[in-house]
Formats: sequence, C-alpha cells, structure tokens
Amino acid sequence: EAQVTQNPRYLITVTGKKLTVTCSQNMNHEYMSWYRQDPGLGLRQIYYSMNVEVTDKGDVPEGYKVSRKEKRNFPLILESPSPNQTSLYFCASRPGGYNLPLHFGNGTRLTVT
Amino acid sequence: AQSVAQPEDQVNVAEGNPLTVKCTYSVSGNPYLFWYVQYPNRGLQFLLKYITGDNLVKGSYGFEAEFNKSQTSFHLKKPSALVSDSALYFCAVRDMRGAGSYQLTFGKGTKLSVIP
Repeated sequence: EAQVTQNPRYLITVTGKKLTVTCSQNMNHEYMSWYRQDPGLGLRQIYYSMNVEVTDKGDVPEGYKVSRKEKRNFPLILESPSPNQTSLYFCASRPGGYNLPLHFGNGTRLTVT
Repeated sequence: AQSVAQPEDQVNVAEGNPLTVKCTYSVSGNPYLFWYVQYPNRGLQFLLKYITGDNLVKGSYGFEAEFNKSQTSFHLKKPSALVSDSALYFCAVRDMRGAGSYQLTFGKGTKLSVIP
C-alpha cells in the first residue's frame, strides 16, 4: 500500500531532550515536507526537500532540523525541544510535479513539558 | 506573496442539504488550487484540484469546487451533505510563478459539521 509513515504517533517529552520524528514514504516521491498544525493557525511548513541532499526552510524552521540522506526518509529533529513546539506534526510527500497533490502521514502529536 | 483565506471557522449544515465551504486566495501569477479533508486522528487527504481549464472541478466523495478568477475564489461544494462529511477542510494555493512556486500555502481550515 502506498503510504507515508510517521513514527511515533504520540510523544511526550521534557524541555531540552533531543528527539527525532521519523518519516518514510514508499512511493519514490522526490518531494517531502514537514508541517505543524496548531489550532487557529492551520498548517505551517517547517522544512521541505526537493530531492536527496536538498533541503530548505519553510515558514517556521526555528528549532528544527531535517536531513534527506535517502529518497524515502525525511526525519525531523528537535535538538532542544521547548513547550512552544507542542503541536501536531505532519510529514507529506509528492512526485516532482508542482501541480500534483501531497500525500500525508497520519501525524505525530508532540507534547513538550 | 501567496495567501489563502477561509473566512468561516465552522460551517453547520443539515444532512441532505447542499454545503459550501468558502476559500479565497491571493497570488501574483496564476494559481494552483487544492482542497484537502482531515478526519479525526488522520492526516490530510486530497479531494480535488484546479490547475487550468474548466472552472468547475469534480473530486472525490461527490465534492466539487468552482474556480472564479474575478472573485479570486475556489469554494468547495456538495449537492447533498452526509453525516460522514463532517471533518476539517483545508484550502491550499500555490502561485505558478515566483519564488513561492514550490510551496503550498494552506488556509486555517473550516470545520464542517453535518447534522443528522
């Protein structure tokens, strides 16, 4: 089944403890992206990647890192999480064409205390 | 800069009645426009898109949307609402030209509640 898989689905952590949210897609998509969803703010893009070893900042990149060493994987790294990073995170992917729709993972709900 | 607005945080409609979820956009060039739906505890799912051509676009689950260039709108519609249509709906836009052309900008979402 074609899908975007995120892990974990739920994560509770403490301020300052490094964490990684994994994202993997099995559709051979070139483009991958991370979003955070907050009430009243909709989806905001954190980072995106046009292809392997090519990443770029989105609208809200502060406090996050990403890497794209393989085409299928696009992990999101929080080196020192803070409470304002408590959010619902989504990974998405699509083929290279700009007019093609995104495929989303089921989300990771992160709580930072 | 590209932007999209969904003026209603929530829309309530009776089952069997037609529904409309509104979306307006702003781009400097021509737009790519998308609608996505999010069910509880799930990621967003693609419903339909407008790229070019016919202004009335048909999508999944009986939904359609009408592109209106003069009003810069892309409202989502369905002739007869189902309780199972209750979800969060997002409109998104990409400008076909300029530095923002790689990225989608999402609206804040509209919660649709279909009342039995």
